[in-house]
Amino acid sequence: DAGVIQSPRHEVTEMGQEVTLRCKPISGHDYLFWYRQTMMRGLELLIYFNNNVPIDDSGMPEDRFSAKMPNASFSTLKIQPSEPRDSAVYFCASSLGGLSSYNEQFFGPGTRLTVL
Amino acid sequence: DAKTTQPTSMDCAEGRAANLPCNHSTISGNEYVYWYRQIHSQGPQYIIHGLKNNETNEMASLIITEDRKSSTLILPHATLRDTAVYYCIVRVDRGSQGNLIFGKGTKLSVKP
Repeated sequence: DAGVIQSPRHEVTEMGQEVTLRCKPISGHDYLFWYRQTMMRGLELLIYFNNNVPIDDSGMPEDRFSAKMPNASFSTLKIQPSEPRDSAVYFCASSLGGLSSYNEQFFGPGTRLTVL
Repeated sequence: DAKTTQPTSMDCAEGRAANLPCNHSTISGNEYVYWYRQIHSQGPQYIIHGLKNNETNEMASLIITEDRKSSTLILPHATLRDTAVYYCIVRVDRGSQGNLIFGKGTKLSVKP
């Protein structure tokens, strides 16, 4: 298995532009998680899905952020409009069976976003 | 609120055992202790987890004190590739409360 796949790996954009980050979870995993990592705040959970349905989006910073999972093999995290403070590394992770103690989360390589 | 306390950084000589401590004095009876690590520029990687018994796998050993207020992750023979930030996390095994909450972690530097 190729693991969790994220694209792009690096994204540089200007303030006000729309940014779309993509994630392909491990086949068969029914939970998908989006995290953001910054030096100031560390690694934070933004939102997670179970069977393509958003379960908890309390970590989404504001309305500029939205996430979708149209099918079991694809998810997007969109920022519109983007701001410099959104600069961070965004990780996608997936797991089988979700939050049980026996279900470790597998993380993708991350997307490094820079908003100028 | 990460609910755990870890040293900011540690050094270890290559080939030696690395012992990474974690305090979780407010841990509840239904909370597990998890360890993840993050190698530079990569996503976090699961290492091991346990409830109250000591655990061992191909990567590491986890020693949990009898009162469960602290634990130690042991890398028996550290290599340069083990240089990473190590996160100790406590989480319940139930629903949305089982989210991983990452703290600052311990930056382990393995030196030749």
